Amino acid sequence: AQSVTQLGSHVSVSEGALVLLRCNYSSSVPPYLFWYVQYPNQGLQLLLKYTSAATLVKGINGFEAEFKKSETSFHLTKPSAHMSDAAEYFCAVSENSGGYQKVTFGIGTKLQVIP
Amino acid sequence: DAGITQSPRHKVTETGTPVTLRCHQTENHRYMYWYRQDPGHGLRLIHYSYGVKDTDKGEVSDGYSVSRSKTEDFLLTLESATSSQTSVYFCAISDGTREGNTQYFGPGTRLTVL
Repeated sequence: AQSVTQLGSHVSVSEGALVLLRCNYSSSVPPYLFWYVQYPNQGLQLLLKYTSAATLVKGINGFEAEFKKSETSFHLTKPSAHMSDAAEYFCAVSENSGGYQKVTFGIGTKLQVIP
Repeated sequence: DAGITQSPRHKVTETGTPVTLRCHQTENHRYMYWYRQDPGHGLRLIHYSYGVKDTDKGEVSDGYSVSRSKTEDFLLTLESATSSQTSVYFCAISDGTREGNTQYFGPGTRLTVL
């Protein structure tokens, strides 16, 4: 069964510092992987996704994530944090389950950006 | 943004009353989903639909029912609301298989059961 682990339910970084949000997955087949962002009182917005085309995936707002099969990881990074990056981030994995692509979400990481 | 709306956006109700939440899409996507979001649990799937009148249970379906009579509408019903169903409910849509079943989310409904 597929699963997602997000290390750190809360992460704080200074404005201008590197953002690193960790995600590890387990899947019996090559997975599809996603990062979503949720701003306060809003729905989830797709940030980026891995679909096996390239291991380094670039998303919106300067974020990127690297798929590392050997480490079963899909960590999200941004070189320089901005105040507007403060939000909750969800990692998700998708796997074929009886002809249907089942998606499993992590519990989320809240990112705080300190001025 | 994907064309997904949810109504109502906020609702306060009392224990034991029925509640229906509506999700409406304009994307003509085959799949629709209902999730609930609670602190420490992330998003948990309640029910999903893979076509008109075709639905299936998710991991937290007890106490919830759904219906889909048209492609664009997916209703979530709490037959007799309980305080444990206080949560934020999100609807999502997808085309099912392409690109790993990328899901797109609505703005959410905040439900409080007193």
